[in-house]
Amino acid sequence: QQKVQQSPESLIVPEGGMASLNCTSSDRNVDYFWWYRQHSGKSPKMLMSIFSNGEKEEGRFTVHLNKASLHTSLHIRDSQPSDSALYLCAASRNTGNYKYVFGAGTRLKVIA
Amino acid sequence: EAAVTQSPRNKVTVTGGNVTLSCRQTNSHNYMYWYRQDTGHGLRLIHYSYGAGNLQIGDVPDGYKATRTTQEDFFLLLELASPSQTSLYFCASRGNQDTQYFGPGTRLLVL
Repeated sequence: QQKVQQSPESLIVPEGGMASLNCTSSDRNVDYFWWYRQHSGKSPKMLMSIFSNGEKEEGRFTVHLNKASLHTSLHIRDSQPSDSALYLCAASRNTGNYKYVFGAGTRLKVIA
Repeated sequence: EAAVTQSPRNKVTVTGGNVTLSCRQTNSHNYMYWYRQDTGHGLRLIHYSYGAGNLQIGDVPDGYKATRTTQEDFFLLLELASPSQTSLYFCASRGNQDTQYFGPGTRLLVL
């Protein structure tokens, strides 16, 4: 059964700082990755997706993907207290069965 | 944004009890999913479906049944609930570019 490992489990960064979150899949057939953000007491919401090698930037958020190592990372610059949340990484194969595997998440706390 | 609703939002039952969790999406998405969320495990896929009458087995299906009655409605059934099924349950539907849209969740406590 494929697994998605996320690190660190928790992270504290100062307001205005950079947060870096990591995610690796154990399944060599994984093609696609997503990052979801879940605020306390809320449901997960998709933050960013990445399907190709390289980097993708949206505002303060940057995602990297290295398909050879099945590793993706999410970087949040100028972190804000509102970024405090559980960040979930999800992966899927390109087989058309649209099944997703989630990691356990990284809990980010941004302190003022 | 896609709308996914779940009911009930909270449920308490006893061991051996019968529970049905409901999910409805109003965006005509084909794929719908049931997950459970537990601390330290993230979201784990129970069952999913790509249309009315279809059911696909997820990664943690034991003790759960599911049924997709229409394009909009997906139900999760626990016929003999056990304390290990105490969890937060999320339903989701798959939209454009494989984005999943989650419902608000149902918190289930099995005593």
